[in-house]
Amino acid sequence: QVQLQQSGPGLVKPSQTLSLTCAISGDSVSSNSAAWNWIRQSPSRGLEWLGRTYYKSKWSNNYALSVKSRITINPDTSKNQFSLQLNSVTPEDTAVYYCAMGDWRYGLDVWGQGTTVTVSS
Amino acid sequence: QSVLTQPPSVSAAPGQKVTISCSGSSSNIGKNYVSWYQQLPGTVPKFLIYDNNKRPSGIPDRFSGSKSGTSATLGITGLQTGDEADYYCGTWDSSLSAGVFGTGTKVTVL
Repeated sequence: QVQLQQSGPGLVKPSQTLSLTCAISGDSVSSNSAAWNWIRQSPSRGLEWLGRTYYKSKWSNNYALSVKSRITINPDTSKNQFSLQLNSVTPEDTAVYYCAMGDWRYGLDVWGQGTTVTVSS
Repeated sequence: QSVLTQPPSVSAAPGQKVTISCSGSSSNIGKNYVSWYQQLPGTVPKFLIYDNNKRPSGIPDRFSGSKSGTSATLGITGLQTGDEADYYCGTWDSSLSAGVFGTGTKVTVL
């Protein structure tokens, strides 16, 4: 059974970088059959997919246009986890952030517990 | 601003049926598979339907999915008070090369 455990700060100052980590148990971040996603949710934006990383012979990423210039999702094979970095945050980035495993055909079937991130000075 | 449009809310009495529509375009629903998610109040979204109409193990057959053209539908029969939640559709958008969620629908059991 795959489980995802999120960690990272709940408060980030404007213009700084939001960094979260999602530790994987029960599967490998390097699995050829899985994708590792970040999603956020706020009252104003609903559920918003931010991006994903996956390995199929090589590492690849896809990012949402709304954050493409500011986001990086990286796998860490040594720790079997993946991370989210969102640069130059503003109060608009205040949200609950989730990591999730899966793809859009077979579904996002495992989710992390969620991290509430507030952007405020 | 989601590219997938859902009605903000639907409601019905216990035991009745509700359907939730998810309207997209040729670059997302028209070309790719749809999944559905249930979010009970204060909880993490839960995976309900994948591959347009398949249920993962443990999801009762009261929940069903379908897709036609650029729209998808989630149906819930035998409505229960425990079904009160927000429901979201999701798919891949081939033009954006990105995942997209619907705007979400709140189901109320009267």
